[in-house]
Amino acid sequence: AQSVSQHNHHVILSEAASLELGCNYSYGGTVNLFWYVQYPGQHLQLLLKYFSGDPLVKGIKGFEAEFIKSKFSFNLRKPSVQWSDTAEYFCAVTLNTGFQKLVFGTGTRLLVSP
Amino acid sequence: GAVVSQHPSRVICKSGTSVKIECRSLDFQATTMFWYRQFPKQSLMLMATSNEGSKATYEQGVEKDKFLINHASLTLSTLTVTSAHPEDSSFYICSARGNIFSTQYFGPGTRLTVL
Repeated sequence: AQSVSQHNHHVILSEAASLELGCNYSYGGTVNLFWYVQYPGQHLQLLLKYFSGDPLVKGIKGFEAEFIKSKFSFNLRKPSVQWSDTAEYFCAVTLNTGFQKLVFGTGTRLLVSP
Repeated sequence: GAVVSQHPSRVICKSGTSVKIECRSLDFQATTMFWYRQFPKQSLMLMATSNEGSKATYEQGVEKDKFLINHASLTLSTLTVTSAHPEDSSFYICSARGNIFSTQYFGPGTRLTVL
């Protein structure tokens, strides 16, 4: 069965630091890739998604992610984080077949200190 | 963006009772709705996928007789936890999607506590 791994469970950064969150998936077929964010007390929101085309995807709030097919990776980046980026970040994958169910990674809790 | 609501946001019930959670897509028609369960400090685990007008498809290990899902219209799906027990206490989240190529939008979740 396909799985999604997020290597960093907790990340603590100071404001203006750069962020990179790792995400790897295990599936050899065509996939769609997502990053979702869950701010404290709020529901999941889509940050960005990759279906096809340019492997460097830009999302909301200055986030971007790069799909590297050879590494089965879809890492999330932001050049300069803000205190308001404190949240939990989930990488997710859907297979390009069937119901296209989302398979989530375990999540990364990001704490940005002012 | 598309809005998905859930009701109630919190529910506390006694062991042995049944609880119904509603998931509504407010401004779009949801052909497919998904139900997830999230344990503290863990990721979302898909419980079942429901398509409007047909039976839900449950993930392995999810008891379909315990977690009844109904998707009777394009804007409403319900999850009923039957004969709830304390181990069913969790955060239940639904999501909705217009078609197979569109993004899933998530509801705010329902925290169920079974005493």
